Formats: sequence, structure tokens, C-alpha cells
Amino acid sequence: EAQVTQNPRYLITVTGKKLTVTCSQNMNHEYMSWYRQDPGLGLRQIYYSMNVEVTDKGDVPEGYKVSRKEKRNFPLILESPSPNQTSLYFCASALSGTWGETQYFGPGTRLLVL
Amino acid sequence: KQEVTQIPAALSVPEGENLVLNCSFTDSAIYNLQWFRQDPGKGLTSLLLIQSSQREQTSGRLNASLDKSSGRSTLYIAASQPGDSATYLCAVRPGNQFYFGTGTSLTVIP
Repeated sequence: EAQVTQNPRYLITVTGKKLTVTCSQNMNHEYMSWYRQDPGLGLRQIYYSMNVEVTDKGDVPEGYKVSRKEKRNFPLILESPSPNQTSLYFCASALSGTWGETQYFGPGTRLLVL
Repeated sequence: KQEVTQIPAALSVPEGENLVLNCSFTDSAIYNLQWFRQDPGKGLTSLLLIQSSQREQTSGRLNASLDKSSGRSTLYIAASQPGDSATYLCAVRPGNQFYFGTGTSLTVIP
């Protein structure tokens, strides 16, 4: 089944404890992206990757890191999480990132930073 | 910076009614506009994608229109059903980034 998977689905952590949220897609997609969703603010793009080894900042990259070492995986790293990073996170992918393609979304990771 | 607005934020209608959801964006220089559906606890599912050169797209009971010059799109849902209850999001793509609206929460009452 074609899908985008994220792990973990739920995570409670404490301020300053490094964490990684994994994202993997099995559709051989070039484009991958991370979003956060907050009440009243909608989805905002954190980082995106046009292809392997190429990443770029979205609208809200502060406090996050990403890496794209292989096509299928695009982990999101929070080196020192803070309470304002409590949010619902989505990973998404698209075939090649050209203008006419739809994005496919993972199920989301709900993060609570205490 | 692109800003996307969706009105109303919430909508409740009786089953069988036709309805229209609105999406507006501030910068008309977009490559495409996409409508998504989001169910509670789940990710987003793409409903319709309209290229900047297109005026509308249809899929089943859904019809989406795009007026790029005025920065507006509408999603028309015909003969609404309780299963249509969800949050509907629009997103525009001016380049390599995507910008989403805050969504319209739709409840269809049986």
C-alpha cells in the first residue's frame, strides 16, 4: 500500500531533551516536507526537500533540523525542544515537486513538550 | 508573503443541502490550488487540485473553482451527506512552498 508513515504517533517529552520524528514514504517520491498544525494558525511548512541532499526552509524552521540522506526518509529533529513546539506534525511527499502534483500526507505526530 | 483565508471557520448544514466553502489568497502568482479533507486524528486527503491555468475541477459531488486574478477559490459540495463531515483545507503553491488556510469545519446533520 502506498503510504507515508510517521513515528511515533504520540510523544510526550521534557524541555531540552533531543528527539527525532521519523518519516518514510514507499512511493519513490522526490519531494518531502514537514508541517506543523496549530489551532487558529493552520498548517505551516517547516522544511521541505526537493530531492536527496537538497533541503530548504519553510515558514517556521526555527528550532528544527532535517536531513535527507536517502529518498524514502526525511526525519525531523528537535535538538532542544521547547513548550512552544507542542503541536501536531505532518510529513508529506509528492512525486517530483513539480507544480501539478498532489501531496500525500502521513497520519500525524502529536507532540507535547513539558 | 502569501496568506490564505477560509470563511466560514465552521459550518453546520442538514443532510442533502448543497454548500459552498470559500478560500481566498493574497498573492495571485500561484502555480496551483488544492483542496484537502482532514478527519479527526488523521492526516490530510487530497480532494481536488486546480492548476493555475484551469478554472475548475470536478470529482463526483465536488466541484472546485479558481479565480486567480481575484485570489479566490470555492469548493462546492452537492447533496451533502453525514460522511462529508470533516475539516476542509485549501492550499496554494506559489513556488516550492505550500501555504494553507486554517480550514472550514463542516458538520452535516442527518
